[in-house]
Amino acid sequence: DVKVTQSSRYLVKRTGEKVFLECVQDMDHENMFWYRQDPGLGLRLIYFSYDVKMKEKGDIPEGYSVSREKKERFSLILESASTNQTSMYLCASTLAGGFDTEAFFGQGTRLTVV
Amino acid sequence: AQSVTQLDSHVSVSEGTPVLLRCNYSSSYSPSLFWYVQHPNKGLQLLLKYTSAATLVKGINGFEAEFKKSETSFHLTKPSAHMSDAAEYFCVVSDPYSSASKIIFGSGTRLSIRP
Repeated sequence: DVKVTQSSRYLVKRTGEKVFLECVQDMDHENMFWYRQDPGLGLRLIYFSYDVKMKEKGDIPEGYSVSREKKERFSLILESASTNQTSMYLCASTLAGGFDTEAFFGQGTRLTVV
Repeated sequence: AQSVTQLDSHVSVSEGTPVLLRCNYSSSYSPSLFWYVQHPNKGLQLLLKYTSAATLVKGINGFEAEFKKSETSFHLTKPSAHMSDAAEYFCVVSDPYSSASKIIFGSGTRLSIRP
């Protein structure tokens, strides 16, 4: 019954490394999102994609990029990891038509940058 | 501009007593409103949503929420708390006619249940 899968639950990376977080959904959803979750700040949108090869910046895109080469896969890239990017990262997907439908979330990737 | 405020960062209730998690929103449009729940080490799950139909919305696990436009509120309630309700709850506001960047999450309310 898995719907949204994030490739790693836990990651530890060194400062300056290039980091790839992968997300795959099996519901044929058009929209996919990357959020980071920090205590007391809720979820903040990093990037989202509404179609293959299409992307838009969210509220906190600095230091991140994304890739969507196939409809089911949305990758978040930390070009040069820094300690302030230590966080929980959540991927989500929805059907086309905006967020007025249920969003399905992955279980999250807890990234620690040392 | 849209915003959402969860008035309590932590709520603690005894098992079997009512639950009230408070959420106020600000939106220039008629918003869509959601409550999501996140259990420890799990992803977020939709509890319920309001999308301009009935103002009293029933969700899963006995939760419900009432949309009050005059008070700009969308509080989450449950008549009788269960130990399994212990989790983090997020109120979400969105403009259904805009792009996804208009989706705003509240900062979350951690619900603890005392035996």
